[in-house]
Amino acid sequence: NAGVTQTPKFQVLKTGQSMTLQCAQDMNHEYMSWYRQDPGMGLRLIHYSVGAGITDQGEVPNGYNVSRSTTEDFPLRLLSAAPSQTSVYFCASSPQGGANYGYTFGSGTRLTVV
Amino acid sequence: LAKTTQPISMDSYEGQEVNITCSHNNIATNDYITWYQQFPSQGPRFIIQGYKTKVTNEVASLFIPADRKSSTLSLPRVSLSDTAVYYCLRYAGNNRKLIWGLGTSLAVNP
Repeated sequence: NAGVTQTPKFQVLKTGQSMTLQCAQDMNHEYMSWYRQDPGMGLRLIHYSVGAGITDQGEVPNGYNVSRSTTEDFPLRLLSAAPSQTSVYFCASSPQGGANYGYTFGSGTRLTVV
Repeated sequence: LAKTTQPISMDSYEGQEVNITCSHNNIATNDYITWYQQFPSQGPRFIIQGYKTKVTNEVASLFIPADRKSSTLSLPRVSLSDTAVYYCLRYAGNNRKLIWGLGTSLAVNP
């Protein structure tokens, strides 16, 4: 089925480790973004991309890197994991002209940093 | 950017119509109002989006008055499967960003 695929679904990291959360979409959407969701804080935008080769920071970018080498993929890299990065991470995409379309979200990655 | 304000929780019963009101006093001219639904352990799912007046689709209706300072999501004849968190968002049309609030946890009882 078409949609946004996130891997892994669950991950436990030790403080200081690095890892990459994968996000892929097969809908040819230009816009892709990463959010983190924490209790009592709703969803917060980490990074986003309006097309291949273009990325920008969102509300809470510190400690995370992204790249967009292809339209389909938008990986999120944690450079040196910290307990404060324990969260549920969602990737979302939308086609051009997003005002008339909803965003499609992945099923999330639950990350625990110990 | 100001976030939206909505009730933390609501209770309803199967077959009833549910109306969730959202406040967005500082909405900008380019902003749309968007609603998403989220079930536990899943990503949010788009429900409906509008700019002014009334929008209806197969799932819900969205009412936005002329001053656009509030909006109401209407779910007709809810069922147990509508138990979820509903988010009212401002969609900033000029930079395509979603401004999330904290959501309304809707419980539908038998």
